[in-house]
Amino acid sequence: ETGVTQSPTHLIKTRGQQVTLRCSSQSGHNTVSWYQQALGQGPQFIFQYYREEENGRGNFPPRFSGLQFPNYSSELNVNALELDDSALYLCASSPADGTNYGYTFGSGTRLTVV
Amino acid sequence: SQQGEEDPQALSIQEGENATMNCSYKTSINNLQWYRQNSGRGLVHLILIRSNEREKHSGRLRVTLDTSKKSSSLLITASRAADTASYFCATDASGATNKLIFGTGTLLAVQP
Repeated sequence: ETGVTQSPTHLIKTRGQQVTLRCSSQSGHNTVSWYQQALGQGPQFIFQYYREEENGRGNFPPRFSGLQFPNYSSELNVNALELDDSALYLCASSPADGTNYGYTFGSGTRLTVV
Repeated sequence: SQQGEEDPQALSIQEGENATMNCSYKTSINNLQWYRQNSGRGLVHLILIRSNEREKHSGRLRVTLDTSKKSSSLLITASRAADTASYFCATDASGATNKLIFGTGTLLAVQP
């Protein structure tokens, strides 16, 4: 059984560019959530996908968007990058009722915007 | 914004000692979870306690929950150098849409 894998592990982009981060969920998990973690802070919820539909969204602007594919993998897209978007982006997968069993997190993508 | 605060922000102890971390939160919850994070990488789920539970054990971990005070504590007994990490509490708020709200974290350093 594989865990959650994220790619790439590190990324440097220029302000104004667009970025796509990828996540493969753990086998048997059909729900994927994305979190942003700024340095020295706890993770902040961006959104969750279940059955290819957005299933909850945190306080992030529309330039943060996502997709979930039939194999439950997911993408996070960020347009018009800003310096404050520099952070660790974490993907977490769970069974449909994940909040009763905990989430499995990937190792994250470290995004630096210059 | 963060759900609440964790206390202390940082803790340094010797191997073999116990480590206690506290978490406070603001809203009603369905459950509270504790996660460990090594060196700014992914989070590892440690334990989940439901709102109708008061105490839960898992190996060297003991978690308590006091919903009247909106607080939780995580006790790690007989700590090891490998326990060095950041520890976060996360709440699944009642009525919220499937999201975890994390605290600010406690940085634990266990000296060998």
